[in-house]
Amino acid sequence: DSGVTQTPKHLITATGQRVTLRCSPRSGDLSVYWYQQSLDQGLQFLIQYYNGEERAKGNILERFSAQQFPDLHSELNLSSLELGDSALYFCASSVVAAGTQYFGPGTRLLVL
Amino acid sequence: GDSVTQMEGPVTLSEEAFLTINCTYTATGYPSLFWYVQYPGEGLQLLLKATKADDKGSNKGFEATYRKETTSFHLEKGSVQVSDSAVYFCALSDHATGNQFYFGTGTSLTVIP
Repeated sequence: DSGVTQTPKHLITATGQRVTLRCSPRSGDLSVYWYQQSLDQGLQFLIQYYNGEERAKGNILERFSAQQFPDLHSELNLSSLELGDSALYFCASSVVAAGTQYFGPGTRLLVL
Repeated sequence: GDSVTQMEGPVTLSEEAFLTINCTYTATGYPSLFWYVQYPGEGLQLLLKATKADDKGSNKGFEATYRKETTSFHLEKGSVQVSDSAVYFCALSDHATGNQFYFGTGTSLTVIP
């Protein structure tokens, strides 16, 4: 158990819908990262937050957005969902902005 | 830009065989290097890391040495077990590029009894 929690574990929704994925980092970790893992694209970095502020941006679509709240938990919002958004979404956290990342168990999203 | 290249999988080995998974990197600065492991149905777990040239990371019988001259960080284990079956990811974090993590594509390992 890494100490990073993600909810929900599974999510099934329809195209065009919007969902919110939640992540709670390890106690004491200030930085949160979001990744998308799909069979054809592998592990793709989406976005990083550090102490509430956006730190780095990767291959995140405009339909996706994220934020980190004062209690340091983070949410990833996915809107206008498409079939191709079906994937595993991982959250990771680290103590500092450049630290070793610890991954949560992931949220499996299925868009029908 | 920064990148990580891993050997293509899948890799299938018999129990007690020697394992090598190759990883090479391209980086602007002097990165830290990592191996993560993903067991079926789980998230990624840190397996080992090395933060400077010639450092050797080791854990659970796995080892990898940071080779700056060959820009490599190959993962090795002397005798694999069925329980080592998983996907292995090489990754780097480079201060010169804002410490963003770059992951390889992953190498699937299956160990058969």
